Amino acid sequence: SQQGEEDPQALSIQEGENATMNCSYKTSINNLQWYRQNSGRGLVHLILIRSNEREKHSGRLRVTLDTSKKSSSLLITASRAADTASYFCATAGGYQKVTFGIGTKLQVIP
Amino acid sequence: EAGVAQSPRYKIIEKRQSVAFWCNPISGHATLYWYQQILGQGPKLLIQFQNNGVVDDSQLPKDRFSAERLKGVDSTLKIQPAKLEDSAVYLCASSDGGVAGEKLFFGSGTQLSVL
Repeated sequence: SQQGEEDPQALSIQEGENATMNCSYKTSINNLQWYRQNSGRGLVHLILIRSNEREKHSGRLRVTLDTSKKSSSLLITASRAADTASYFCATAGGYQKVTFGIGTKLQVIP
Repeated sequence: EAGVAQSPRYKIIEKRQSVAFWCNPISGHATLYWYQQILGQGPKLLIQFQNNGVVDDSQLPKDRFSAERLKGVDSTLKIQPAKLEDSAVYLCASSDGGVAGEKLFFGSGTQLSVL
């Protein structure tokens, strides 16, 4: 079963614009993670935010977490063509179980 | 450091045949995961090992899928017999554990086509 649900499922923007993806989940978590997947490749970890954190930054990435609403958002600023990929949120619960959402497919047009 | 190694990279079989996938996690990583990713969907957890013990296999179709992790290092995932709906990418991931769950390192996956 999928824990997270990303919104939108697909997003197309121009290079230089910001991209925002949202994730909602259902059960309590220890942390929430975002991953990127280029077509036909394995997933790459981007950023992890713990349940007691509200915001985290890493380079052009900004992640927020609202545990009361069971939601998170990933913001990619000043997007580049190389950011074209699928983005997944993943929730980590007890016993290190990590459950992925359905993903957002991002296309950045040069 | 070396990443998660998976083989084969691609596999094509006919339905009712058997197939096996192999995964070598990052050295020292206690937790190993197998995920199934059907085209256009997110990865679905099949089985999770902590060392050589199973932590979660609630979504593993046990009538046809089996997995083992001998000596708490390498792992194999087997499908016998395969069905058309098993066509997917099978991803192996590992993490160095921790109570709260830490980031996963993924292999490149095995793309399985069942004809």
